[in-house]
Amino acid sequence: QVQLVQSGAEVKKPGASVTVSCKASGYTFSSHFIHWVRQAPGQGLEWMGVINPSGGSTRYTHRFQGRITMTRDTSTSTVYMELSSLRSDDTAVYFCARDICSNGLCYMFDSWGQGALVTVSS
Amino acid sequence: QSALTQTASVSGSPGQSITISCTGTSSDVGDYNYVSWYQQHPGKAPQLIIYDVSNRPSGVSDRFSGSKSGNTASLTVSGLQPEDEADYYCSAVISTTTLVFGGGTKLTVL
Repeated sequence: QVQLVQSGAEVKKPGASVTVSCKASGYTFSSHFIHWVRQAPGQGLEWMGVINPSGGSTRYTHRFQGRITMTRDTSTSTVYMELSSLRSDDTAVYFCARDICSNGLCYMFDSWGQGALVTVSS
Repeated sequence: QSALTQTASVSGSPGQSITISCTGTSSDVGDYNYVSWYQQHPGKAPQLIIYDVSNRPSGVSDRFSGSKSGNTASLTVSGLQPEDEADYYCSAVISTTTLVFGGGTKLTVL
């Protein structure tokens, strides 16, 4: 079955960077885009961006432009999301999610990672 | 981009039906049929329950149904059950390049 397994919780100081990983299994890694969505404590969902595991192309929402980098490693079927210049309001659970469309971008997510809590605190 | 507008909370008794609305604009909800709904229980990852406005993924109960009229999408949960108590989020594509979520609706089963 499709599984997305994320790395564990992180605690970072303001100004630092964090990298969250998302290892995919149970399907052809290159055939589905992977998105990143975050959720601040007690708040709603926020879409951050997407990566095409096939070619590595990315698209980020404006809010994170310049601070976010998504990469992938096809040899391990793993996607990475790095967020830099961390602030206290970046404290959130970060989810990776698989696009429902095969070889296309539909912005609907049929499988999610378990989430990784990133806490930014001095 | 502004979040889609959802009612903050809704409640119903077991067996009843409730509807959650998701209002956007002609640039998102009204523009494409890439509207989806997610159910999220506390401490868990969201789960897709409706995609393409009204389609259910395999394994999702047919008590969940979706529709759209103009710039407003709706999720109806019929025959409420205690396990339906959760947060519900809608989402929609903007100009095929970005995604926006609704603010979320907390469903309470009385």
